[in-house]
Amino acid sequence: DAGVTQSPTHLIKTRGQHVTLRCSPISGHKSVSWYQQVLGQGPQFIFQYYEKEERGRGNFPDRFSARQFPNYSSELNVNALLLGDSALYLCASSPSYGGNEKLFFGSGTQLSVL
Amino acid sequence: AQSVTQPDIHITVSEGASLELRCNYSYGATPYLFWYVQSPGQGLQLLLKYFSGDTLVQGIKGFEAEFKRSQSSFNLRKPSVHWSDAAEYFCAVVLGKAAGNKLTFGGGTRVLVKP
Repeated sequence: DAGVTQSPTHLIKTRGQHVTLRCSPISGHKSVSWYQQVLGQGPQFIFQYYEKEERGRGNFPDRFSARQFPNYSSELNVNALLLGDSALYLCASSPSYGGNEKLFFGSGTQLSVL
Repeated sequence: AQSVTQPDIHITVSEGASLELRCNYSYGATPYLFWYVQSPGQGLQLLLKYFSGDTLVQGIKGFEAEFKRSQSSFNLRKPSVHWSDAAEYFCAVVLGKAAGNKLTFGGGTRVLVKP
């Protein structure tokens, strides 16, 4: 079975641009969460979506948004990119909202903002 | 404030020696506890988790962790380190099912293995 897949793996943008990151969860998983990992730090929670609804939001500005599609895949959008948005963006999927016993992470998208 | 602390930023250990990584949390109740490993440029791989029950938890790759409620700690151990264990290790917590998948991570400990 395929794990959590993220695309693209690497991305370079300039300040002020917009970016869309994509995540496909493990088959049968209905929850997708997004994390931002700045170099040298632990991941920080951005969003959780379950059954296509936002069920949790971390301390991130409104420039960050996400959505989940009927097939449970998800997109993370970031507007008006800042240098500080450069990070590894991780997606995680689980079967249910609180299904932490089966929470799996993808390999991430490395975003560089120049 | 709720937090997860990994006091050691870097640890260097010789191959074959034992390893212990520290993790302390600050929460009102006992959270669910996790240890993840991350190789450079990669995602997170779950080593082990503690939700309840036996406080000594066995994980993959020969790792184990012990939950100590009195010390609010969840330290990770391995009796004999292999060169392939060189990576960054993260402790994480979540406040039960009601918190969904909102994990709070520590800052990580980078492990270097000397031949």
